[in-house]
Amino acid sequence: DAGVTQSPTHLIKTRGQHVTLRCSPISGHKSVSWYQQVLGQGPQFIFQYYEKEERGRGNFPDRFSARQFPNYSSELNVNALLLGDSALYLCASSTPRGLSSGANVLTFGAGSRLTVL
Amino acid sequence: AQSVTQLDSQVPVFEEAPVELRCNYSSSVSVYLFWYVQYPNQGLQLLLKYLSGSTLVKGINGFEAEFNKSQTSFHLRKPSVHISDTAEYFCAVMNYGGSQGNLIFGKGTKLSVKP
Repeated sequence: DAGVTQSPTHLIKTRGQHVTLRCSPISGHKSVSWYQQVLGQGPQFIFQYYEKEERGRGNFPDRFSARQFPNYSSELNVNALLLGDSALYLCASSTPRGLSSGANVLTFGAGSRLTVL
Repeated sequence: AQSVTQLDSQVPVFEEAPVELRCNYSSSVSVYLFWYVQYPNQGLQLLLKYLSGSTLVKGINGFEAEFNKSQTSFHLRKPSVHISDTAEYFCAVMNYGGSQGNLIFGKGTKLSVKP
């Protein structure tokens, strides 16, 4: 079975540009979450989408946006790139079992490494 | 606010020696607890999780962790490490009943296994 797939794996942008990162969840998973991992730090939560609706948002500026498509794949968009946006962007998928049914277990993709020059 | 503290940023150890990677968390609500491993240039792989029940949980690759509610700790252990265990290990918590995609991670512990 295919795991969580992300594209592109590596990309280089310059300050002020825009970037779109893509994620395909595991088949049957309806929830997608995005994380930013800066070098030397743990991942930080950016967004969660479930059934095409935003279900959670971390402490990131409005330059960051995302959406989920009917096939449950997702895009993360970052506008007006800054040097500090250089990071590994991780996507994770899961099958939410409802707030009273216990935790979801997130399965992560290999990430998209963004370098902003 | 929740937070996760991994007390050691780097842990060097010799092959076949035991290892413990420490994790403490703070939260005003009940949490679920996870350990993930990240090999160089890869994503995160789930090692083990505590959702409920027995406080001693076993994971993949011979790792285990014990949830201690009174000390708000979830330390990861392995009785005998291998060279292939060299990686970065992340402890994470998720709020019970919160956003089900929001994991809060520690800063990570780099385990370096030497021959």
